[in-house]
Amino acid sequence: DIQMTQSPSSLSASVGDKVTITCRASQTITRYLNWYQQKPGKAPNLLIYAASTLQSGVPSRFSGSGSGTDFTLTISSLQPEDFATYYCQQSYSYPRTFGQGTKVEIK
Amino acid sequence: QVQLQESGPGLVKPSETLSLTCAVSGYSISSGFYWDWIRQPPGKGLEWIASIYHSGSTYHNPSLKSRVTISVDTSKNQFSLKLSSVTVADTAVYFCARHDSSAWQFDYWGQGTLVTVSS
Repeated sequence: DIQMTQSPSSLSASVGDKVTITCRASQTITRYLNWYQQKPGKAPNLLIYAASTLQSGVPSRFSGSGSGTDFTLTISSLQPEDFATYYCQQSYSYPRTFGQGTKVEIK
Repeated sequence: QVQLQESGPGLVKPSETLSLTCAVSGYSISSGFYWDWIRQPPGKGLEWIASIYHSGSTYHNPSLKSRVTISVDTSKNQFSLKLSSVTVADTAVYFCARHDSSAWQFDYWGQGTLVTVSS
């Protein structure tokens, strides 16, 4: 199985801050990397797929980059509705695996 | 608008079989894509369980494979999950999701259903 490791596990930030979350795969996954946002009691919501493609309807302040084993999710200017947990997920091979999550909290 | 809705018992006894169904609306399962089950234990991360194509082709998580059965009913536009010999470790919110083959992302999700394993 491909292990996905996110860092940090949690962070505190203020509205307007730039936030960066990293995700590392245990082996190359080329660009088969997706990012999800999850709010308490809700299903995950797809933000970015194929490492850098913004899902329809997702605000442009979200962006993704990377390839191979190292990937980044960036929120350019944190908004109140962005406080949530973020997960990366590899779709290079089965079984599909997720990172452990990064919780973004209000400072 | 594609919508998915999970249904099934919220309480299952240890050693019994958990059974869930995901009803899909706004898209015909027969038209394509894979259809998946994913779970999340309370306060923990996401675990992929299994995937099925309308033809019946499947993929399973090896960690659960011997206990998992995933099936599809195209006439009812729904797919199902059975997990046998459950233990308290199987207590989780179970989500169904569409697995888009463009980049194999999970683009539509059900709201999730909590299944508690307890005697």
